Amino acid sequence: EDQVTQSPEALRLQEGESSSLNCSYTVSGLRGLFWYRQDPGKGPEFLFTLYSAGEEKEKERLKATLTKKESFLHITAPKPEDSATYLCAVQAPGGKLIFGQGTELSVKP
Amino acid sequence: EAQVTQNPRYLITVTGKKLTVTCSQNMNHEYMSWYRQDPGLGLRQIYYSMNVEVTDKGDVPEGYKVSRKEKRNFPLILESPSPNQTSLYFCASLQWIGAYEQYFGPGTRLTVT
Repeated sequence: EDQVTQSPEALRLQEGESSSLNCSYTVSGLRGLFWYRQDPGKGPEFLFTLYSAGEEKEKERLKATLTKKESFLHITAPKPEDSATYLCAVQAPGGKLIFGQGTELSVKP
Repeated sequence: EAQVTQNPRYLITVTGKKLTVTCSQNMNHEYMSWYRQDPGLGLRQIYYSMNVEVTDKGDVPEGYKVSRKEKRNFPLILESPSPNQTSLYFCASLQWIGAYEQYFGPGTRLTVT
């Protein structure tokens, strides 16, 4: 069964304390892996797409990496405005999108 | 401005009263999708459409209908809503040829009593 699991469920960091979020997946024939940010009460905001193992993407303090079984979202020197829920999703053959349950990140000043 | 619009944003209704949530995108995207988001369950795909007149079931299609008569619109229909369909609903459109970009609407909070 196609599945996406994110860990940890919640992460509390001090401002400037770097860390990583994990997204592990099982899908037959990965079409792409995607990261989103979601603020409370709003729709998810697209961050990155990764297509193949070894690929990396960066945006400001965020860097996403992909292996054959998992992806990491690295947050370097986070700021309070990085606080949000981060969602990972995979696209299976046929077009279905499967989301993980998200990691709720809180960054304290 | 690239956007996905949903209406209504908030809706309280009663069991069994048919309702439609509209979704429209202005980006000429081929792919559109509906999701529901529930605490502890995350985002779950209800239906998706890879092109006009083509729709497919996601993970939780029971109790929902969709149609895709034109590229920009993708309404979600609840023929006979039940309390377990109380949720936050998101519509999204996706460009998946070449660079991937997905845009979500602002959400519709539905309460069925």
